[in-house]
Amino acid sequence: DTAVSQTPKYLVTQMGNDKSIKCEQNLGHDTMYWYKQDSKKFLKIMFSYNNKELIINETVPNRFSPKSPDKAHLNLHINSLELGDSAVYFCASSQDPRAAYGYTFGSGTRLTVV
Amino acid sequence: AQSVTQLDSQVPVFEEAPVELRCNYSSSVSVYLFWYVQYPNQGLQLLLKYLSGSTLVKSINGFEAEFNKSQTSFHLRKPSVHISDTAEYFCAVSLGAQKLVFGQGTRLTINP
Repeated sequence: DTAVSQTPKYLVTQMGNDKSIKCEQNLGHDTMYWYKQDSKKFLKIMFSYNNKELIINETVPNRFSPKSPDKAHLNLHINSLELGDSAVYFCASSQDPRAAYGYTFGSGTRLTVV
Repeated sequence: AQSVTQLDSQVPVFEEAPVELRCNYSSSVSVYLFWYVQYPNQGLQLLLKYLSGSTLVKSINGFEAEFNKSQTSFHLRKPSVHISDTAEYFCAVSLGAQKLVFGQGTRLTINP
């Protein structure tokens, strides 16, 4: 039974398209995150939500819009995709907003923009 | 600002040899420290963590890490590595800033 699940696992799309990535956790955690891992494996936080409320919004283009319909789901919608958006996007969850106990990660979504 | 530095981007070792992956952080307050492992084409898995108490923490697969407050380090060690340990390893720090900050990662390659 997957704790943090993301769909799709792979996403190939053309520049200018709009796409969404979905994330769901069944751990009962209150806080969820989106991280971007670039081609050099560097992980950078994009957003975090605590119980449906936006907590962190790093310097991310406003083409990226997160949505949390409930505390178990955090989706990421991307408008007008660009080549530089190609990366692996990870969803994660934690027991508390301070991340004192670490995260549980999803398996990632590899986005390729052509 | 809080930052995490992994001093080696790649570490090649022979099977059954010992290994140390280095991690230093900058913070003037108490921290929580983590090591994550990422196998090829997979997500990150928690390997071990330091929250408080004993400064030496261990994982179930033979890795250990020691929190050194004076040197602001949290190095990861294993006395004898196996081919299956080949992966990317990430050090991460949380100091209550509502997020984990990750190091750049260290690619551990085990040669037979």
